[in-house]
Amino acid sequence: DSGVTQTPKHLITATGQRVTLRCSPRSGDLSVYWYQQSLDQGLQFLIHYYNGEERAKGNILERFSAQQFPDLHSELNLSSLELGDSALYFCASSASGDSSYGYTFGSGTRLTVV
Amino acid sequence: GESVGLHLPTLSVQEGDNSIINCAYSNSASDYFIWYKQESGKGPQFIIDIRSNMDKRQGQRVTVLLNKTVKHLSLQIAATQPGDSAVYFCAEVPDDKIIFGKGTRLHILP
Repeated sequence: DSGVTQTPKHLITATGQRVTLRCSPRSGDLSVYWYQQSLDQGLQFLIHYYNGEERAKGNILERFSAQQFPDLHSELNLSSLELGDSALYFCASSASGDSSYGYTFGSGTRLTVV
Repeated sequence: GESVGLHLPTLSVQEGDNSIINCAYSNSASDYFIWYKQESGKGPQFIIDIRSNMDKRQGQRVTVLLNKTVKHLSLQIAATQPGDSAVYFCAEVPDDKIIFGKGTRLHILP
């Protein structure tokens, strides 16, 4: 157990729907990062939050949004889902606001859009 | 685009032999590099890291080599075991986020 908790582990939904993925960082970590991993792609950075504030955005679609709450857990919202959004979504956390010591990853949420 | 990459998508190694996984990066500003291991059904797991002021760092059965001249990173695993079977990602950190390559799948042959 890495200490980073992601729920749900699996999610199956239809095209056009909206889902919310949840992440609880390791105790004491202030940063949360979201990554998307598709079969034919590596880990694609989506977004980074530090202590409730957005720090950096990567290849995140406009249909996707995220937020980090005062208790430091984070949610990734995916709307108007398309078949191509099927992927593993990972959350990672770190103590600092930068990446200078690497991240700890959760086990991911496998999203299947049908 | 982001371009941390790996030379081989799949590597097969005899159990007990040493494994070498290679990686090329393109961003000269990267000053921190990490190797991650991802087993099936799990998230990436930190293996070893190295900063740009070093060219070699050793861990338990793993060694990372950094050649900044040619922007090349490698991971060496000594005495490869069945439990080493996984996908290995190199990653570079040029700024506030980690950029991952596409990964090399390591197969262990009995």
